[in-house]
Amino acid sequence: AQTVTQSQPEMSVQEAETVTLSCTYDTSESDYYLFWYKQPPSRQMILVIRQEAYKQQNATENRFSVNFQKAAKSFSLKISDSQLGDAAMYFCAYRSAPYPGPGGTSYGKLTFGQGTILTVHP
Amino acid sequence: KAGVTQTPRYLIKTRGQQVTLSCSPISGHRSVSWYQQTPGQGLQFLFEYFSETQRNKGNFPGRFSGRQFSNSRSEMNVSTLELGDSALYLCASSLGASMGLTDTQYFGPGTRLTVL
Repeated sequence: AQTVTQSQPEMSVQEAETVTLSCTYDTSESDYYLFWYKQPPSRQMILVIRQEAYKQQNATENRFSVNFQKAAKSFSLKISDSQLGDAAMYFCAYRSAPYPGPGGTSYGKLTFGQGTILTVHP
Repeated sequence: KAGVTQTPRYLIKTRGQQVTLSCSPISGHRSVSWYQQTPGQGLQFLFEYFSETQRNKGNFPGRFSGRQFSNSRSEMNVSTLELGDSALYLCASSLGASMGLTDTQYFGPGTRLTVL
């Protein structure tokens, strides 16, 4: 079974500065997908960024970028120019690529890390 | 396009009762997944439905069940509630049939269940 580990329970950053959140995962699969979701106090889970394992190029979405190191099984999130609205719990998530099963093609569930609480100071 | 909606947003039940939660996916999405979020266990996968069929299931007791209707709306039922079932229940929808990142899951606001 796959596991996802976020070793930083809490992080803080000054507004306008850069912060990096860590995520490592354990898998024997070669094809999979990785995601970062944020969960603000409203509890709505919001997709931040996503990455396909077979793509070596790191994904970027505006101020958010990832450092994907497949050999090291590491998937860190960098937030540049931090804003007050970035304050939230951030979850790293893993999903297997679709694979054939007895009931047809199975599309993998999301496996989440424990989360990192990000505080942004004005 | 409207997002994933979940009803009700809040529920208070007592031990031994049963509860039904509802999830309406994004229009065009045929897959609905359910997750339980608690402070102690974090986010755990319950099950996934696609075209009215359960095609993936997590490690939860049989008291947790679900179904999906022909319009892709899904319901989750918990019978004989226990104190430990108090949690935020999140529903996520996706296209469900395509490959790659186009099959990303998008979440609803959740239903907060409190069991007394």
